[in-house]
Amino acid sequence: GAVVSQHPSRVICKSGTSVKIECRSLDFQATTMFWYRQFPKKSLMLMATSNEGSKATYEQGVEKDKFLINHASLTLSTLTVTSAHPEDSSFYICSARDRLAGGETQYFGPGTRLLVL
Amino acid sequence: GEDVEQSLFLSVREGDSSVINCTYTDSSSTYLYWYKQEPGAGLQLLTYIFSNMDMKQDQRLTVLLNKKDKHLSLRIADTQTGDSAIYFCAEVKAAGNKLTFGGGTRVLVKP
Repeated sequence: GAVVSQHPSRVICKSGTSVKIECRSLDFQATTMFWYRQFPKKSLMLMATSNEGSKATYEQGVEKDKFLINHASLTLSTLTVTSAHPEDSSFYICSARDRLAGGETQYFGPGTRLLVL
Repeated sequence: GEDVEQSLFLSVREGDSSVINCTYTDSSSTYLYWYKQEPGAGLQLLTYIFSNMDMKQDQRLTVLLNKKDKHLSLRIADTQTGDSAIYFCAEVKAAGNKLTFGGGTRVLVKP
């Protein structure tokens, strides 16, 4: 099946620093990638939809200046948490749609656990 | 209420069948999915069903869709300890490509 990777798998940073998380589709091209946030024992909350070559579409309540998304190629999207604070600590998961496969199947990455001290 | 709802918890004995239920509100949903999440991991796509289907079977997994009642279920036959995880149902609406997830059902398989 289609594989999506994320890097890093976990990161610990100091408050005020910025953290970049990468999401890659390894064996398919993804014109659309999605970024989710998951709190402990909760469901996934869609943060934004990342489209290759254009600006991301953010969900209501998600600060676009806080969570910068870049989708520079068909296999890579990045999420940068700027000036991170402890309340940004969470599990961030990306997913990608295979543009050639058709349908609506999204393949998920393994997630990145962010801890802001 | 929430767009997609699931019960929180299911306990089942090893070897028995598990049935996880999900209800949704949007009749324009085109695809419905079941994902599995193990602790500390991402989501693994288990199966999906197109909205014009009633049933889909894939090895130990059987998905039933009652479109009239907007009810989706996942049956796992011969449940194993490795099936212990959180299971999410999700839908894609006809108007867009965003997944809407249920809250997840935590399945605990007891030996």
